[in-house]
Amino acid sequence: GESVGLHLPTLSVQEGDNSIINCAYSNSASDYFIWYKQESGKGPQFIIDIRSNMDKRQGQRVTVLLNKTVKHLSLQIAATQPGDSAVYFCAETHGSGNTGKLIFGQGTTLQVKP
Amino acid sequence: DTGVSQDPRHKITKRGQNVTFRCDPISEHNRLYWYRQTLGQGPEFLTYFQNEAQLEKSRLLSDRFSAERPKGSFSTLEIQRTEQGDSAMYLCASSSGQGHTEAFFGQGTRLTVV
Repeated sequence: GESVGLHLPTLSVQEGDNSIINCAYSNSASDYFIWYKQESGKGPQFIIDIRSNMDKRQGQRVTVLLNKTVKHLSLQIAATQPGDSAVYFCAETHGSGNTGKLIFGQGTTLQVKP
Repeated sequence: DTGVSQDPRHKITKRGQNVTFRCDPISEHNRLYWYRQTLGQGPEFLTYFQNEAQLEKSRLLSDRFSAERPKGSFSTLEIQRTEQGDSAMYLCASSSGQGHTEAFFGQGTRLTVV
C-alpha cells in the first residue's frame, strides 16, 4: 500500500545551523510532493513543493531534494531559527484521478536550541 | 482574511451527541478536502469535493460521518452519535484544482468527545 514516512521523529539543532529533514515514500507513481510546517494548535502551512520531473527546488532558506531512484525526499533549512521549531510533514499525491488528495507521513519535530 | 476558515476552533461534546463543523474555503478554489489528524500523526484524508460534487470518500468515513458542499462554496462535516475515538483535529483544505497545486489548510476544529 501507499506510505510516506519520515526517518526521524525528532530533530534537534542549534540556532544558526542547517537542518535536514528526510522522507521516504513507497508509491513510484507519486509525482507531486509538498512539505508542510505545522505549529502547535494550527493547521499545516505550505513550505515548498516539487514535481517529479525535478530533482531540486529552492525557496527562501529552504531547499527540497527529490531522489526518485530511491524514493527519497529531503527538506533543507538554512540558518535554522527558533521560529522554525514545528512539526514538518512531507506529503505526496499522484496523477491517478488527479484529485489532489494528499498522503502524509507521520512528521518530524524540529527543535531549535538557542 | 482570505485564507481557509473553520468554525468552531474547539468543540467539546458528550459521547452520543451530534456535531457539525463548517469550512469556508478560499473563494476561487473549487476543490475542498477534509482531513482528520490525531495526536502525533499526519493528517489522514477523509473526503474530497470538486465544486458541489463529493467525488471521493475514505474508508475512514464511517456511516456516522457526512459531508456536504451544497453550493460549491462552504462545506459542513457532521458526525452523528459521537464516540471517544472521534476525538481529533478536523482539518479542511482547498485548492484551485488546476493540475497539481498546493492545498491551503485551515486552522482546524479540535473535537474532544467526553
